Amino acid sequence: AQSVSQHNHHVILSEAASLELGCNYSYGGTVNLFWYVQYPGQHLQLLLKYFSGDPLVKGIKGFEAEFIKSKFSFNLRKPSVQWSDTAEYFCATREGGKLIFGQGTELSVKP
Amino acid sequence: NAGVMQNPRHLVRRRGQEARLRCSPMKGHSHVYWYRQLPEEGLKFMVYLQKENIIDESGMPKERFSAEFPKEGPSILRIQQVVRGDSAAYFCASSRDSMRETQYFGPGTRLLVL
Repeated sequence: AQSVSQHNHHVILSEAASLELGCNYSYGGTVNLFWYVQYPGQHLQLLLKYFSGDPLVKGIKGFEAEFIKSKFSFNLRKPSVQWSDTAEYFCATREGGKLIFGQGTELSVKP
Repeated sequence: NAGVMQNPRHLVRRRGQEARLRCSPMKGHSHVYWYRQLPEEGLKFMVYLQKENIIDESGMPKERFSAEFPKEGPSILRIQQVVRGDSAAYFCASSRDSMRETQYFGPGTRLLVL
């Protein structure tokens, strides 16, 4: 079975700092990879996804992620965070029809 | 353009009671997925259904839990004889089909078992 691990459980940044959240997956074949965000009190929203093609994926709200096959990684990045980016971020891969999520990273951005 | 709807948003049950969680997928979506988020844990897959069929229930506990997605009406996740360990957030997602389609999530049902 596939698995996903996120390195950081809680990240605290000041506004305008750069962000990189780590994500590693276990499967060596073709992968579908996702980053979801859950703002406080809200449901999960898709930030971006990778199926194939350009390994640098642009998402909504200025987020991007880079698929590095040799490192089994799909890290999420944002050059300059805002207070409104405070949320929990989940990396996920797909196995059959189901999504397999990492443990989540809670991001707190201080104004 | 309504998204995935779940109700109730919050549900309180006493040990031994039954909990019924409802999920209405987005319009045009015929695939439904249930996930559970236990305190301090990530989301874990429970079950994947299409209309009137269970496709994958590999994440469902063997006892007390069941799910259905009838031809008409919402998908139901049913938990019989709830225990404190069932307290969690239960999320439903839907998609048009299973492959290469984004899963859209509902707001979740927070279940508290007293």
